[in-house]
Amino acid sequence: KAGVTQTPRYLIKTRGQQVTLSCSPISGHRSVSWYQQTPGQGLQFLFEYFSETQRNKGNFPGRFSGRQFSNSRSEMNVSTLELGDSALYLCASSQSDRARGYTFGSGTRLTVV
Amino acid sequence: AQKVTQAQTEISVVEKEDVTLDCVYETRDTTYYLFWYKQPPSGELVFLIRRNSFDEQNEISGRYSWNFQKSTSSFNFTITASQVVDSAVYFCAPGPVMNSGYSTLTFGKGTMLLVSP
Repeated sequence: KAGVTQTPRYLIKTRGQQVTLSCSPISGHRSVSWYQQTPGQGLQFLFEYFSETQRNKGNFPGRFSGRQFSNSRSEMNVSTLELGDSALYLCASSQSDRARGYTFGSGTRLTVV
Repeated sequence: AQKVTQAQTEISVVEKEDVTLDCVYETRDTTYYLFWYKQPPSGELVFLIRRNSFDEQNEISGRYSWNFQKSTSSFNFTITASQVVDSAVYFCAPGPVMNSGYSTLTFGKGTMLLVSP
């Protein structure tokens, strides 16, 4: 059974640019969540999508957005990149019963220069 | 909102020692789930254990065991006979809340475990 796939694995962008990260969940999982991990703030929740609808949103500026497609694949977008957006972005998928836990991908490491 | 405290920033042990990772959480919710995840250097968060808040029976799974005490809001995790491959950062994470739309995981700062041969 394939795991959660995140692409790209590494990314270098310049301040002011925008970036799109992709996440393909485990087959059959309809919920996709995104987390940002930085040395200073740790792991912080960005948003969660379920059946193409945003179900929860963390405390991040509007520059961070996401969407989910009908096949449950999800993308997150960060516009007008800032140096502080450099982080490991992790995607997690879960079944409809979220209590079963979340399976995480290997993440996309974004560096903003 | 939920909050997690993992007071141990880093723990170093020698292989075959037992090690306990502490976790104290705060929540106003009465029914919720608790998780432990492991993050090796590769970066991927690996699911270890799950516990629901209304079942305080402590269990053992292989070399892993946990001690959940709702009265003190603690959810400690023990690795028995540690191995070098156990070296990683370990995260305690409450969430989601049962029967609600709140579904996020709230992570602690993590405890880095270093197991030397």
